[in-house]
Amino acid sequence: DAGVIQSPRHEVTEMGQEVTLRCKPISGHNSLFWYRQTMMRGLELLIYFNNNVPIDDSGMPEDRFSAKMPNASFSTLKIQPSEPRDSAVYFCASTLTQGKPLYEQYFGPGTRLTVT
Amino acid sequence: SQQGEEDPQALSIQEGENATMNCSYKTSINNLQWYRQNSGRGLVHLILIRSNEREKHSGRLRVTLDTSKKSSSLLITASRAADTASYFCATDPREGANNLFFGTGTRLTVIP
Repeated sequence: DAGVIQSPRHEVTEMGQEVTLRCKPISGHNSLFWYRQTMMRGLELLIYFNNNVPIDDSGMPEDRFSAKMPNASFSTLKIQPSEPRDSAVYFCASTLTQGKPLYEQYFGPGTRLTVT
Repeated sequence: SQQGEEDPQALSIQEGENATMNCSYKTSINNLQWYRQNSGRGLVHLILIRSNEREKHSGRLRVTLDTSKKSSSLLITASRAADTASYFCATDPREGANNLFFGTGTRLTVIP
């Protein structure tokens, strides 16, 4: 398996532009997580899906952020409009969830977003 | 917050020495996991210890868990320069959310 795939790996955009980050989870995994990592705030959970359904989006900063999972093999995180404070590394992770207990999450390589 | 706290925030040691990192958390858990993150990369799972276990080994890694104190430690023996990375603990809460709660991380630097 190729692991969790994220694209693009790097994104530089201007303030006000729309940004779309993409993630392909590991085949067979039914849970997908979007995280944001910055020096100041560390690793933050933005949203997670179970069986393609958003379960908890309380970490999404504001209405400018939205996430979708149209099928088991693809998810997007969209920022519209983007702001300089959105600059961070965004990680996608997946796992197989069968109730409790929870097992290891597999992380993608991340997308480094810079908003100028 | 259910987020764990790692201690110390940063640690610098000489190659060959042992490195110990600590994690404290707040709620009852099913298990605790340790992850490693190399600079510019995603997190990688290292080891999982269940709430009914007190110690676990994997190669040069030794993890302990004290549920009465809500704390865990990760020991890396005979450290190597390649162990330089950030290390995170993550907890699976016994109640509630089906997501892990990650700590703030310890940045380990191993000097060759």
